[in-house]
Amino acid sequence: DAKTTQPPSMDCAEGRAANLPCNHSTISGNEYVYWYRQIHSQGPQYIIHGLKNNETNEMASLIITEDRKSSTLILPHATLRDTAVYYCIVRVEGSQGNLIFGKGTKLSVKP
Amino acid sequence: GAGVSQSPSNKVTEKGKDVELRCDPISGHTALYWYRQSLGQGLEFLIYFQGNSAPDKSGLPSDRFSAERTGGSVSTLTIQRTQQEDSAVYLCASSLAFGFYEQYFGPGTRLTVT
Repeated sequence: DAKTTQPPSMDCAEGRAANLPCNHSTISGNEYVYWYRQIHSQGPQYIIHGLKNNETNEMASLIITEDRKSSTLILPHATLRDTAVYYCIVRVEGSQGNLIFGKGTKLSVKP
Repeated sequence: GAGVSQSPSNKVTEKGKDVELRCDPISGHTALYWYRQSLGQGLEFLIYFQGNSAPDKSGLPSDRFSAERTGGSVSTLTIQRTQQEDSAVYLCASSLAFGFYEQYFGPGTRLTVT
């Protein structure tokens, strides 16, 4: 599986957009990019995933560069409840079962 | 609808005792996964089930760990002769089918071995 690199921590002001980057320069053509987050003392929560097109749902937007070597998760209006560790995971859909979590980015949303 | 549930939420046990952790997946989800997270560490994958079958047990940390799933639903993770290094949060997740990475996690069981 392609390796992912994320900054260890980021701050964001409440109400502003939070842009979380992820590098996956060795991604292959059939690997999807998944984003999860883990709020303190809770289990991980699925956010969004994509292959090559940008994706948006009620939680976030996912922007994948044209060469697919990096992506950005955007929380459009961050709230204090968005403070969490955010994980970017790359996997080939349908071939394996488990998620492989790295260290992620600790996002702190500040008032 | 109901999400993934796990019980107990907290378990304190003495070293050497056996413990059983339970996971109730989302109804209709055929794939089930167990992970654990030690204090301040990342998530470590343990085992997955496709229906009632666990094809790959290589992620289990030792032969003291075992897991089963019956009726394609509830799963139990059993740790025999617990050791202090087994202390962690044990998380269960389920997905619609195997290979779907949109997985839904339970709240976890915090295991403390004294």
